[in-house]
Amino acid sequence: GAGVSQSPRYKVAKRGQDVALRCDPISGHVSLFWYQQALGQGPEFLTYFQNEAQLDKSGLPSDRFFAERPEGSVSTLKIQRTQQEDSAVYLCASFVGTNTGELFFGEGSRLTVL
Amino acid sequence: SQQGEEDPQALSIQEGENATMNCSYKTSINNLQWYRQNSGRGLVHLILIRSNEREKHSGRLRVTLDTSKKSSSLLITASRAADTASYFCATLSGGGADGLTFGKGTHLIIQP
Repeated sequence: GAGVSQSPRYKVAKRGQDVALRCDPISGHVSLFWYQQALGQGPEFLTYFQNEAQLDKSGLPSDRFFAERPEGSVSTLKIQRTQQEDSAVYLCASFVGTNTGELFFGEGSRLTVL
Repeated sequence: SQQGEEDPQALSIQEGENATMNCSYKTSINNLQWYRQNSGRGLVHLILIRSNEREKHSGRLRVTLDTSKKSSSLLITASRAADTASYFCATLSGGGADGLTFGKGTHLIIQP
């Protein structure tokens, strides 16, 4: 596609529900990142994929967070048993190579947990 | 954790004036990048400066990097209302794609 596409743009979940956020990166981009952005803050790194391999998941805040990219293109960020503190914008970004230069971001998925 | 710290946190200027934002970081870097984020949107890459560069220009943007002081500045000349956004600096440390570390951002408001 022309850019990084994320869905849904907005998600409201009741506390305890599971949610899945999808990222469709730019075709051919090897690297894919997930970031979490709280209101009024900068993005915070969650996890990084190089093709289908998850090379770094050090930023995932708890074991309720799980990300996958099984075929090296589309990625899904899953949050189990959502909590109110999970409310944030989840940003996906991709990069063509493996040594980070310019990242291309999607519009984000805004998650609100009630 | 966020490595970069932008200063000021918020800046309001008149259209046509120049806007300067600063960023300080803590560890050694490979490159430093500036991004813009309009309200409710994703981040857009503006400019990248490598650790061995001191200054870079792109259109109305001028970025400086002082690795001895671990700081960078972003200058937007002849500001326009459309420049109203949040601006983030992001640093890449380490030898590979570890992910950029973003600061908290400067919220810039251009008054027409």
